[in-house]
Amino acid sequence: GQQVMQIPQYQHVQEGEDFTTYCNSSTTLSNIQWYKQRPGGHPVFLIQLVKSGEVKKQKRLTFQFGEAKKNSSLHITATQTTDVGTYFCAGSRGSTLGRLYFGRGTQLTVWP
Amino acid sequence: EPEVTQTPSHQVTQMGQEVILRCVPISNHLYFYWYRQILGQKVEFLVSFYNNEISEKSEIFDDQFSVERPDGSNFTLKIRSTKLEDSAMYFCASREGQLLSYNEQFFGPGTRLTVL
Repeated sequence: GQQVMQIPQYQHVQEGEDFTTYCNSSTTLSNIQWYKQRPGGHPVFLIQLVKSGEVKKQKRLTFQFGEAKKNSSLHITATQTTDVGTYFCAGSRGSTLGRLYFGRGTQLTVWP
Repeated sequence: EPEVTQTPSHQVTQMGQEVILRCVPISNHLYFYWYRQILGQKVEFLVSFYNNEISEKSEIFDDQFSVERPDGSNFTLKIRSTKLEDSAMYFCASREGQLLSYNEQFFGPGTRLTVL
């Protein structure tokens, strides 16, 4: 079945350091979404990538979708304590019904 | 800003009991979902609902689970006979429309279900 793998599971960084999480799907995706979940909170949508090789930026966050549409990454430049949380990738296979296959998430801790 | 709401925030029940988790999706959204997240694990899809019927369900969503949209606003998940392994956070989500550009899913705050 559909598998979405995400690494690393945990990442601890000093404030100001960069952070990257990687997502890999066993099958080609139609699009990939990224969500952030704060401790005790619910997933909050960050961005969607649709096109092969697409790169999108949101301030210090850079999202990439691989050429084969099977992998993606999220890179945060110069982390801040407000970046703390778990970052999930979630892939969709193209059905308009929108089922999302979530990765396991990367839990980011930022030390001041 | 419109948001998805869920009640209750925490539900404690005895094994074998029925529970109903309630959600109010965003009013103009057409697609509704239930996901669950066992503590410390990933978010898992349970079911999607569109046009007053289930459109897709996962292997987790067995005969013990059902969903309903009893009126124009509520969307419920019923577990008929709860098991210990049903203990998890249950998230409701809704999505506006069919176009890829409107694929963002809005998640509710979740209901933490504890089965004793």
